[in-house]
Amino acid sequence: AQSVAQPEDQVNVAEGNPLTVKCTYSVSGNPYLFWYVQYPNRGLQFLLKYITGDNLVKGSYGFEAEFNKSQTSFHLKKPSALVSDSALYFCAVRRYNYGQNFVFGPGTRLSVLP
Amino acid sequence: DTAVSQTPKYLVTQMGNDKSIKCEQNLGHDTMYWYKQDSKKFLKIMFSYNNKELIINETVPNRFSPKSPDKAHLNLHINSLELGDSAVYFCASSHRQGANEKLFFGSGTQLSVL
Repeated sequence: AQSVAQPEDQVNVAEGNPLTVKCTYSVSGNPYLFWYVQYPNRGLQFLLKYITGDNLVKGSYGFEAEFNKSQTSFHLKKPSALVSDSALYFCAVRRYNYGQNFVFGPGTRLSVLP
Repeated sequence: DTAVSQTPKYLVTQMGNDKSIKCEQNLGHDTMYWYKQDSKKFLKIMFSYNNKELIINETVPNRFSPKSPDKAHLNLHINSLELGDSAVYFCASSHRQGANEKLFFGSGTQLSVL
């Protein structure tokens, strides 16, 4: 069975500082990993995904994530946080064969303080 | 133009009523989904359709019945609404049902059952 953990309910960071939102996963076989962001009263928006290849994936709005197979992690990072980055962030995993649904983590609320 | 649109945005109704939520995507995608987000923001797949054919049907009460008249539409009908059905329901679509495909979400329908 697939599962995703986001160990922090809330992450607070000062504007301009680097941010990290953590994600670990459990899946048999090769994982496809995703990050989505949800702004208030909106649907989720795709940020980035890891399929194969380079472990460092770059995505929208200056975000990047690093796939670490040995630690089964896919942490989301940004070198310099903006107040507008404040939102709910979801990590998701999917097995490589089609037909499997996404399993989303519980979400981490990021607050960037001015 | 909104890529994935769902109506209504808000739905307030009494227990025992029957209601429908409509979803349309203008992205030319083959696969559509319904997700439920509970009050704690947990996001869970309910149904997935590929080219009007049901692919995923998670453990959802049979009071919930999806209908896909064509591949651009996936509606959700709920019979005999219960208090526990209160949640935000998100429609989503993807180009194909492949595991590496990202999801495009609608802005959600907030259902409140009184």
